[in-house]
Amino acid sequence: DGGITQSPKYLFRKEGQNVTLSCEQNLNHDAMYWYRQDPGQGLRLIYYSQIVNDFQKGDIAEGYSVSREKKESFPLTVTSAQKNPTAFYLCASSRLQGNQPQHFGDGTRLSIL
Amino acid sequence: SQQGEEDPQALSIQEGENATMNCSYKTSINNLQWYRQNSGRGLVHLILIRSNEREKHSGRLRVTLDTSKKSSSLLITASRAADTASYFCATVSWGAGGTSYGKLTFGQGTILTVHP
Repeated sequence: DGGITQSPKYLFRKEGQNVTLSCEQNLNHDAMYWYRQDPGQGLRLIYYSQIVNDFQKGDIAEGYSVSREKKESFPLTVTSAQKNPTAFYLCASSRLQGNQPQHFGDGTRLSIL
Repeated sequence: SQQGEEDPQALSIQEGENATMNCSYKTSINNLQWYRQNSGRGLVHLILIRSNEREKHSGRLRVTLDTSKKSSSLLITASRAADTASYFCATVSWGAGGTSYGKLTFGQGTILTVHP
């Protein structure tokens, strides 16, 4: 079945540590996105990528980094510079055109130890 | 920044009743999409309505769009306990040069609880 796989489902970070969240899709979509969701809130865009080896900052990119070396993969690193990383992180993908829906993974919940 | 504002923040109804959720937004859009999120899960796309459309149906879902008022509504008819979830509207705005690209801006969502 085609879809988006995020791993791990739960992740714990120690102070000063970088952690990387995985996102893989087999939908052959060009565009991929990372969102952050805080309790009772909507989603806020962290980074997005429309093509391999290119990505753009979203609304809340500070303290995060991404790479897009393969079409299928768009990992997100939460760096130690992100002072409030506890949140639910969602990855999505879509075709490039703006009138296409986004397909979401089941998220990674990141907590601080 | 949050483009969409949803109303109500929470809605509690009995099975079989209709549920209506509203969304308002601030800037011109290319299209507006509605998503559903079950607790602790990812979002699932429900329906997309383009800026030149006024109404769209999909099964028990009916979406309206009023671009003059910058608002949309989602109606779920004959609700079921399985409809219990959070519902989000999201807008896609026009990009540079009049192009559009898939950057969604989400509202804060409406939590729908359907009691059996």
